[in-house]
Amino acid sequence: NAGVTQTPKFQVLKTGQSMTLQCAQDMNHNSMYWYRQDPGMGLRLIYYSASEGTTDKGEVPNGYNVSRLNKREFSLRLESAAPSQTSVYFCASSPGQHTDYGYTFGSGTRLTVV
Amino acid sequence: DAKTTQPTSMDCAEGRAANLPCNHSTISGNEYVYWYRQIHSQGPQYIIHGLKNNETNEMASLIITEDRKSSTLILPHATLRDTAVYYCIVRVSGSARQLTFGSGTQLTVLP
Repeated sequence: NAGVTQTPKFQVLKTGQSMTLQCAQDMNHNSMYWYRQDPGMGLRLIYYSASEGTTDKGEVPNGYNVSRLNKREFSLRLESAAPSQTSVYFCASSPGQHTDYGYTFGSGTRLTVV
Repeated sequence: DAKTTQPTSMDCAEGRAANLPCNHSTISGNEYVYWYRQIHSQGPQYIIHGLKNNETNEMASLIITEDRKSSTLILPHATLRDTAVYYCIVRVSGSARQLTFGSGTQLTVLP
């Protein structure tokens, strides 16, 4: 089925470890996004990529880096994980940021930093 | 983007219409109203959006008041699978700013 695929689904890290969350979409969308959701809260934007080759900071970018590898893939990297980064991470895509069609979200990566 | 206010939680009987309100009194003329929902542990799902006319699709109807200061999302025949957090988001059409999610309304459909 067409959509947004995130890997891994679950991850436990020790403080200071690094890891990369992977996201791929097969809908030929131009724009991609990374959000985090803490328990009982709404989603907050970390980074986004309006089109291939561009990335921009969102509301909570500190401690993260992103790479728009190609049109399909947008990865999120934690260089030195901290317990405050324990969260559920969602990747999303849309046809383009100037398009009013809805975003498509992945099923999430549940990250615990101990 | 204009701020939105939604009730924290609502209940609805299965098979009845669920009416979810949203206030956006500071909405400007070029801002659309979007609705998403998030079923437990899943990613948010787009439902519907509109500017000033009422909109309907296979999932729901969106009623926007004439002054555009509030709107209502209607699920005509709620099922248990409609239990979710519903987010009302106001956003400028074509804006470079991204979707901003608030706390939403927890809708519980009761059997």
